Amino acid sequence: NFMLTQPHSVSESPGKTVTISCTRSSGSLTSNYVQWYQQRPGRSPTTVIYEDDQRPSGVPDRFSGSIDSSSNSASLTISGLKTEDEADYYCQSWGVFGGGTKLTVL
Amino acid sequence: QVQLQESGPGLVKPSETLSLNCTVSGGSITTSYWSWIRQPPGKGLEWIGYIYYIGTTNYNPSLKSRVTISLDTSRTQFSLQLTSVTAADTAVYYCARAKDIKTPYYLHYWGQGTLVTVSS
Repeated sequence: NFMLTQPHSVSESPGKTVTISCTRSSGSLTSNYVQWYQQRPGRSPTTVIYEDDQRPSGVPDRFSGSIDSSSNSASLTISGLKTEDEADYYCQSWGVFGGGTKLTVL
Repeated sequence: QVQLQESGPGLVKPSETLSLNCTVSGGSITTSYWSWIRQPPGKGLEWIGYIYYIGTTNYNPSLKSRVTISLDTSRTQFSLQLTSVTAADTAVYYCARAKDIKTPYYLHYWGQGTLVTVSS
């Protein structure tokens, strides 16, 4: 089986752009779609990106996803940061979740 | 709008079997993939497994020997059984449904989660 590695935490100021990476340990990341979930404290996860780069309806276009096959990594980019974006973010591919990244907007 | 609600005991003794149900409303249970995910307190998400509406299952290899997921279409519920539990199985357990039959791991609909503590 493989692992998905994310940074433990990232922080950025309101209005700025942040990128969270998700690197697959073995096998090709392009073998399975990548999803990104946002989880606020005490709440269930919600999807912000599915199938690598698709946004569910209702998710603002400040959220975008991409895949870099050369580094076997996926990225979640959030632009125009708002304080409400502060949450934990998890990547997922097949039945594997990344360890999660805590985003602080300060 | 599909809604899911977990139910079951909040406390289970070590070595016993954890049993949870997920009741589905607002949509048919005879479609899509139905998953269980868990999250130990303060830690990340772990996918436990899914059942496809025709009965096919797929489990996390690390839990496969202890997990059974089943579907009860008459009661619009699906269930999780995890045997021989230890304190390491203490977690919030979520049920979830895939967006559609093409993408079993895109978990679009989630329940609110239920905390299960393993303790004597």
